[in-house]
Amino acid sequence: AQSVSQHNHHVILSEAASLELGCNYSYGGTVNLFWYVQYPGQHLQLLLKYFSGDPLVKGIKGFEAEFIKSKFSFNLRKPSVQWSDTAEYFCAVRSSSASKIIFGSGTRLSIRP
Amino acid sequence: GAGVSQSPSNKVTEKGKDVELRCDPISGHTALYWYRQRLGQGLEFLIYFQGNSAPDKSGLPSDRFSAERTGESVSTLTIQRTQQEDSAVYLCASSPDREGLYTFGSGTRLTVV
Repeated sequence: AQSVSQHNHHVILSEAASLELGCNYSYGGTVNLFWYVQYPGQHLQLLLKYFSGDPLVKGIKGFEAEFIKSKFSFNLRKPSVQWSDTAEYFCAVRSSSASKIIFGSGTRLSIRP
Repeated sequence: GAGVSQSPSNKVTEKGKDVELRCDPISGHTALYWYRQRLGQGLEFLIYFQGNSAPDKSGLPSDRFSAERTGESVSTLTIQRTQQEDSAVYLCASSPDREGLYTFGSGTRLTVV
């Protein structure tokens, strides 16, 4: 069965620090990969996605993620975080033959102003 | 409407009672998903509807859980004889297709006392 692992449950950074959130998945076939974000008091929303092509994908608000097939990873990065990036981040995967997305347990990101 | 609407936003119920949760998807979205998020955990897939096809019920945790959707409109998730372990936020998402670009609702927070 597919699964998604997010190893960091809570990350605390100062403003302007660089961010990398880890995400690993278990599935050997073709996958679609996602990062969703939930800002305080708001709905879950899509941050970025990878379907095919360039493994380095860019999303909203300066975020990017790199798909490394050999490592089954899809880590999220941002070179310089802002206080407004405080949120919970969910990595998710869908096999190309499946109908549903499997989500990781989430990483809470806290930014000190 | 402009987004996915869920009602009620909060529900407190006594153990053993039945509850019904409602999801109103974005007009024209053929795919509808229900997920559950227990405190401190990731999103757990429950059920998926796609148009008039038979739903994917593989995530329903027990026969106390059921869901219906009429065509491409409103869906209801029913939990019979609620138990304390059913306490969670129940999230609904809709998508224009099965590609995984979900729009989430704000969820229903269910507390079983």
